[in-house]
Amino acid sequence: GAVVSQHPSRVICKSGTSVKIECRSLDFQATTMFWYRQFPKQSLMLMATSNEGSKATYEQGVEKDKFLINHASLTLSTLTVTSAHPEDSSFYICSARGVGGRGNEQFFGPGTRLTVL
Amino acid sequence: TQLLEQSPQFLSIQEGENLTVYCNSSSVFSSLQWYRQEPGEGPVLLVTVVTGGEVKKLKRLTFQFGDARKDSSLHITAAQPGDTGLYLCAGAGAGNMLTFGGGTRLMVKP
Repeated sequence: GAVVSQHPSRVICKSGTSVKIECRSLDFQATTMFWYRQFPKQSLMLMATSNEGSKATYEQGVEKDKFLINHASLTLSTLTVTSAHPEDSSFYICSARGVGGRGNEQFFGPGTRLTVL
Repeated sequence: TQLLEQSPQFLSIQEGENLTVYCNSSSVFSSLQWYRQEPGEGPVLLVTVVTGGEVKKLKRLTFQFGDARKDSSLHITAAQPGDTGLYLCAGAGAGNMLTFGGGTRLMVKP
């Protein structure tokens, strides 16, 4: 149980285009989903927290108009990188937290490698 | 802001050796989780420790939560090449938000 998927796993796009990344909890309801960014050989940096049906909370320094997050259902959250530039190239990872006895635990998706040319 | 310092940052050892990774903070966490991440993949949860002083074992991995719930350690006995990866600790604070340590990159050479 507690499987989180991400799609796509890898995307290459041209500078100026927008890219949407989907995060799904496959076998549990995720009341909260998190989006992280990870640079090579570094730890995870939290970008934003989203609760189903409400606006995302962004961490300091993360542009909410550039990284649009939607959490429309208990099993799906999306991250849209708008007008992507080469400096947005990174590994984006989502995680989901459910309800009940395992409410402290976050389960991570496999990540999406974004390359902006 | 809660900070979690993880050490060492990088560790290269021979197969069969033992190692310990440490996570330390001045903050108290309600729980602490250890993850292992391989290149190009998301972190995989290894264990969650909740009670101060708690010790959990997962085959050759032993996890300990400090009595004051401010620190934790991961000990690997007789490391194998398959243990190679990035190990991350993460402490749960207010609102169950996770604070990640900087990670320990482990390489076990055959």
